[in-house]
Amino acid sequence: DAGVIQSPRHEVTEMGQEVTLRCKPISGHNSLFWYRQTMMRGLELLIYFNNNVPIDDSGMPEDRFSAKMPNASFSTLKIQPSEPRDSAVYFCASRPQQGSIYGYTFGSGTRLTVV
Amino acid sequence: GENVEQHPSTLSVQEGDSAVIKCTYSDSASNYFPWYKQELGKRPQLIIDIRSNVGEKKDQRIAVTLNKTAKHFSLHITETQPEDSAVYFCAASSNTGKLIFGQGTTLQVKP
Repeated sequence: DAGVIQSPRHEVTEMGQEVTLRCKPISGHNSLFWYRQTMMRGLELLIYFNNNVPIDDSGMPEDRFSAKMPNASFSTLKIQPSEPRDSAVYFCASRPQQGSIYGYTFGSGTRLTVV
Repeated sequence: GENVEQHPSTLSVQEGDSAVIKCTYSDSASNYFPWYKQELGKRPQLIIDIRSNVGEKKDQRIAVTLNKTAKHFSLHITETQPEDSAVYFCAASSNTGKLIFGQGTTLQVKP
């Protein structure tokens, strides 16, 4: 199993540009989570999906952020337009069906720098 | 809303000593409590977890305890080694599946 796969690993973009982060969860995992990590705020949950359906997006900072999960094997997090304060490491995580004995597995993250 | 508080924010111990990190949670419906270790520039990695029907769990040098009444859970690392140096995160989740993290503890083990 290749684990949770995120791309790109690093992204440098100019303020105002659109940024799209991608995530492929572990096959068979039914829940997918997007987190943002900064020194000041730690690991913040942005949004999560169960069976491809968004369940809770209360952590999405503002309308510039959107996330989709068109199928069980792919999700995107989009920022449009990007701002310097969006600079952070964005992690995607997945977990098996609720109630499983197994926990959440994180991807390697995307380090986003907005200049 | 749900909240997880973690203490201390930094912890420095001598190699061979024990380290204890404590967390409290606010959502009484929380029933799953994992701990993650994150090394610099890497992803959080699950090191141990405990469910609400268990009071204690141990895996070699690592143990976790849970007090549901007080909404406390703790990570204990014995015989610490320099390679234990990292940031440790506690987290809590209920049946909704929403995993909320504490702020993290930077552990430094001095050789």
